[in-house]
Amino acid sequence: SQTIHQWPATLVQPVGSPLSLECTVEGTSNPNLYWYRQAAGRGLQLLFYSVGIGQISSEVPQNLSASRPQDRQFILSSKKLLLSDSGFYLCAWSVRLAGETQYFGPGTRLLVL
Amino acid sequence: EDQVTQSPEALRLQEGESSSLNCSYTVSGLRGLFWYRQDPGKGPEFLFTLYSAGEEKEKERLKATLTKKESFLHITAPKPEDSATYLCAVQAGNKLTFGGGTRVLVKP
Repeated sequence: SQTIHQWPATLVQPVGSPLSLECTVEGTSNPNLYWYRQAAGRGLQLLFYSVGIGQISSEVPQNLSASRPQDRQFILSSKKLLLSDSGFYLCAWSVRLAGETQYFGPGTRLLVL
Repeated sequence: EDQVTQSPEALRLQEGESSSLNCSYTVSGLRGLFWYRQDPGKGPEFLFTLYSAGEEKEKERLKATLTKKESFLHITAPKPEDSATYLCAVQAGNKLTFGGGTRVLVKP
């Protein structure tokens, strides 16, 4: 069966510090991978998605970037965090077919102070 | 632009009191409508996928239905463990567009 991991689970970072969040998927090959952010009390906002190694699509211009160095690894980064980057970050995967279900990881709670 | 609106924002139910959640949407080329359950501090858990108007799916006390403009999630005789936020999302291409969710609290 497939499993998706995210770490760290929680993170408190000062404004201006760098960020690296990691997501890995087990039990599947060539998945589509996604990063979402969920602000408190709000719906999920798609940040990036990837259909293959090195292929990243950005949905919202912002202070963040994403990379996919391996087939089942997806990384969310920032060079300098802003207060507005605080939120709940979720990684998801799906098989590479349109209309297929996205499955979410446990999430990373980021607080920027 | 794809839009998804969920109502109500919050719902308080007594145990056993059935109710329905609404998800209305506008999308160009619907590839699927998805329902998720999210517990506090956790990632969304997949419940259902609906692909075409008239389709229905059931799981335990939950039943999802789909029309051309909206979807309903019916909760029959809910229990306290059904308390969660229920999220609806529509897919066009590779991307999901989510609604704001409905927070459901079932009191014993």
